[in-house]
Amino acid sequence: EAQVTQNPRYLITVTGKKLTVTCSQNMNHEYMSWYRQDPGLGLRQIYYSMNVEVTDKGDVPEGYKVSRKEKRNFPLILESPSPNQTSLYFCASRDPAGGLYEQYFGPGTRLTVT
Amino acid sequence: GESVGLHLPTLSVQEGDNSIINCAYSNSASDYFIWYKQESGKGPQFIIDIRSNMDKRQGQRVTVLLNKTVKHLSLQIAATQPGDSAVYFCAENMGSNYQLIWGAGTKLIIKP
Repeated sequence: EAQVTQNPRYLITVTGKKLTVTCSQNMNHEYMSWYRQDPGLGLRQIYYSMNVEVTDKGDVPEGYKVSRKEKRNFPLILESPSPNQTSLYFCASRDPAGGLYEQYFGPGTRLTVT
Repeated sequence: GESVGLHLPTLSVQEGDNSIINCAYSNSASDYFIWYKQESGKGPQFIIDIRSNMDKRQGQRVTVLLNKTVKHLSLQIAATQPGDSAVYFCAENMGSNYQLIWGAGTKLIIKP
């Protein structure tokens, strides 16, 4: 089944404790992206990757890191999480054969930083 | 900065009726406008997009209308079904690298 998977789905952590949220897609998509979703703000892009070893900042990159060492994986790293990073996070990938802005989203990771 | 917004945060519609979800945008230079649907507990799902040189585009049970004069976008859902219950987001492109500006969303509630 074609899909984007994220792990973990839920995470409660404390301020300053490094964490990684994994994202994997099995559709051989080149473009991948991370978003955060907060009430009343819609989705805001954190980082995106056009291809392996190519990453770039989105609208809200502060406090986050990413890497793209292989096409299928695009982990999101929080080196020192803070409470303002409590949010719902989505990973997405884009099908170049589909609509120009048709992205496939993972199920989301709900992160709470205390 | 420029942003995409929605007129109504919640829309209640009788099952079987048509739904119209509205969206206002402010970036007149955007090339594409996109609608996504997000069901509870899931990630957003692409519905339909429309290019700025078009006024109307139809999909399966959905129609998107674009009025560039007043910078208004709407999503029409025909014969609304319980499975249409979701939050609907409009988004516009930022011109490069497939980046989007997302609206805050409209929650569609279907009354039986």
